[in-house]
Amino acid sequence: SAVISQKPSRDICQRGTSLTIQCQVDSQVTMMFWYRQQPGQSLTLIATANQGSEATYESGFVIDKFPISRPNLTFSTLTVSNMSPEDSSIYLCSGTGMGNTEAFFGQGTRLTVV
Amino acid sequence: AQSVTQLDSQVPVFEEAPVELRCNYSSSVSVYLFWYVQYPNQGLQLLLKYLSGSTLVKGINGFEAEFNKSQTSFHLRKPSVHISDTAEYFCAVSDPGSNYQLIWGAGTKLIIKP
Repeated sequence: SAVISQKPSRDICQRGTSLTIQCQVDSQVTMMFWYRQQPGQSLTLIATANQGSEATYESGFVIDKFPISRPNLTFSTLTVSNMSPEDSSIYLCSGTGMGNTEAFFGQGTRLTVV
Repeated sequence: AQSVTQLDSQVPVFEEAPVELRCNYSSSVSVYLFWYVQYPNQGLQLLLKYLSGSTLVKGINGFEAEFNKSQTSFHLRKPSVHISDTAEYFCAVSDPGSNYQLIWGAGTKLIIKP
């Protein structure tokens, strides 16, 4: 199994600023995913990050607001841009290994925008 | 499109009692099925998964689940719960024909009463 280190674990940010969340995997993963989880709710997929190509965004999420980088098979970042209080949420990164039969998760980033 | 229904948003149960958390999915095509657990302020951890083979799957922490293709269900069970099982439980489905993207249920909060 893979271990994903996600940071920061939490942050309080001013509206209008940007925050970059990083995920480092201890082994190569074929696909990485970024999710948003509102308190007490399920996971909503933001985008799928593939190495060497642009991320694929789900409906309701755009690259200008949530730019993603995936420079190699063990690292990805998600930036939450021009934040507003509505962006307050938990952000989770996930990766799947060879065969894509299991997803591994980072510990999450709890973001509060004030 | 695939969908996942977790029929109970909360399940209260006394300590040492058995518990069943219900999960139904929409499609009859071959899928992979997962249960994840999320402890407070943490990321998601895989409890168990069904890929193929035996319909009874055993996972960590004494949990097991049974895949029922005719009823498109994958209910999670534990014969005797402990206070440490207090957490949110998520059922997810992965369709190998759709790039293994996970479709998530809404989650069930397991509340253990002493």
